[in-house]
This record gives sequence, structure tokens and C-alpha cells, in this order.
Amino acid sequence: QKEVEQDPGPLSVPEGAIVSLNCTYSNSAFQYFMWYRQYSRKGPELLMYTYSSGNKEDGRFTAQVDKSSKYISLFIRDSQPSDSATYLCAMSAYNAGNMLTFGGGTRLMVKP
Amino acid sequence: DGGITQSPKYLFRKEGQNVTLSCEQNLNHDAMYWYRQDPGQGLRLIYYSQIVNDFQKGDIAEGYSVSREKKESFPLTVTSAQKNPTAFYLCASSPNNQPQHFGDGTRLSIL
Repeated sequence: QKEVEQDPGPLSVPEGAIVSLNCTYSNSAFQYFMWYRQYSRKGPELLMYTYSSGNKEDGRFTAQVDKSSKYISLFIRDSQPSDSATYLCAMSAYNAGNMLTFGGGTRLMVKP
Repeated sequence: DGGITQSPKYLFRKEGQNVTLSCEQNLNHDAMYWYRQDPGQGLRLIYYSQIVNDFQKGDIAEGYSVSREKKESFPLTVTSAQKNPTAFYLCASSPNNQPQHFGDGTRLSIL
């Protein structure tokens, strides 16, 4: 079993839909959680960063961490075709910048 | 503009050849990292460096080498010992205890 599991998709939604992307993990020591967006043939771009449990909102994006269930989510409101990309979750036990463990990524397609 | 520059974007390797991928950052970040990404897979750590003249192996260091002679630069050499080098290579950097930021990658293929 992988340390971080993420459904590879593809997840196809109509424009304007609310999107929910999720990761589950097995290491209870993880306390730094990140979401990256990766367009085709580009490097990952940091979207959201949360420490420990709780919610964090930034514009159309909300990151949610439930450490008791070892489950993190990224919600995208009013999804746009430009949100079509692969979304990677990443997490670390010790340091937000070091020893990251990545999920395999979920490919999202938002159709006009 | 501050950022991480990887070059070249595309690289081809012949059998038995070593190739070097360049990574330069002007963000004044102490830590730098190299990852390999295969289709449909997450990122796997090859090497990382937290300060100049020091680096550590990641999960898949065999067949790769690095140097960190300057804070701004962290080149990766893919040696002939790496039998399956075809992949997308990503360089990242981070300040202390902050998330990593990535370059736009180098795609390496075998001729």
C-alpha cells in the first residue's frame, strides 16, 4: 500500500461545478499538507499549504485536513476550463519544505 | 523575475552517455531538490541539498549524481549506470520550513 493514495481520474466535470479532490494517507506523523496544480509539460505550482488540521480558503480554492481520518481534500468552486490540470497532494511530517511524500495526482477536466 | 530555471527543456541521451541537467534559482532559497516523474506517477526524490557543498540521497539516487558548489545552482547528472532514464525531471527549491517551488522540468529521452 502506498503511503499517500490519490485517485488518478480522469475526473470530468462541467464548467461551474464544484470539484472535490481527495487524498488519503497512512502516516499519522504527517502534519504539513500541500496541494500543487500541474499543467501538461509544466512543473507543479503550489496552490494551497496547510499545517495540521482545519480549513484554509483562498479565492475559489478550499483545502481541508482531517487528521483523525487521515484524509485531505481540495475543493474548487465555480470550476473553469483553465482549472483542467493534474492536482498533486503532498505531505510531510517534519518540515513543510523537506521530505515530501507525493500522491500520484488526479487529472481534472473541466468542460465548457 | 524570481524563479527556478531548468535547461534544456528536452534532452536526448545515447547509450553509454552521461548527461547533465541544469537547475538555477534566484530566489535565495537554501534547499534544492531533484525529482523524477514517470507517466501517471507521483514525484520521486532523487537527491536534495540543504546547504552549499552538502547533499543527500533521496529514494532513487542510483545512477544519478549531483553537486552544490553555489547556492543558486544544483545540476543533476544522469549517468550511464541509470538503465531507465526516460522521464520528466523536476528541480525544486524552498526556504527553511516553507513549501517547495518547482521549475518547468526537463524531459529526457533515449536515442
